[in-house]
Amino acid sequence: GAVVSQHPSWVICKSGTSVKIECRSLDFQATTMFWYRQFPKQSLMLMATSNEGSKATYEQGVEKDKFLINHASLTLSTLTVTSAHPEDSSFYICSALDRGASSTDTQYFGPGTRLTVL
Amino acid sequence: DAKTTQPNSMESNEEEPVHLPCNHSTISGTDYIHWYRQLPSQGPEYVIHGLTSNVNNRMASLAIAEDRKSSTLILHRATLRDAAVYYCILRVNNNDMRFGAGTRLTVKP
Repeated sequence: GAVVSQHPSWVICKSGTSVKIECRSLDFQATTMFWYRQFPKQSLMLMATSNEGSKATYEQGVEKDKFLINHASLTLSTLTVTSAHPEDSSFYICSALDRGASSTDTQYFGPGTRLTVL
Repeated sequence: DAKTTQPNSMESNEEEPVHLPCNHSTISGTDYIHWYRQLPSQGPEYVIHGLTSNVNNRMASLAIAEDRKSSTLILHRATLRDAAVYYCILRVNNNDMRFGAGTRLTVKP
């Protein structure tokens, strides 16, 4: 299957600082990428949908000014957590849509980024 | 959003088949049924998907009920590496995926 990478795999930061997480599709072009957040022992929660060259669409309850998403190329989307606080500590996972030759698009997920805010 | 219902947890013995059920009674005609699994501290991994017909791949088989209101993921011979949370998801119009609670599969040696 297609490969999606995330960087960094884990990050620890101080409260009030900003953290950028990168998501890359390594062997396919992804016009659409998604960002999820997962708290311990919970399921994934969709935060936003990112389309290349346009503004991201955020889910209800997700602050767009706090979670800045940029999808500047067909292989890269970034999520910046601004002014991070301890409650933002979570596992952040991106996915990319491979609009391949099959009848349905397949969504491939990155390995996740563990963010800890002190 | 189209909703799925899965058992919270299931157990299996190593080397035995596992049948993971999923109910999706509100499925629409164009919704694809996707299965992903997630190992601890990793991103979800694609397993299989289908629309109406049963599907097989190297990882698993997907059996879809004739009325499409339920489906079953079949792992033919469970291994310890198959221990994970398995998510059954309805893909609406090829758009985003929304995860339910999933089924936590425990494989006993």
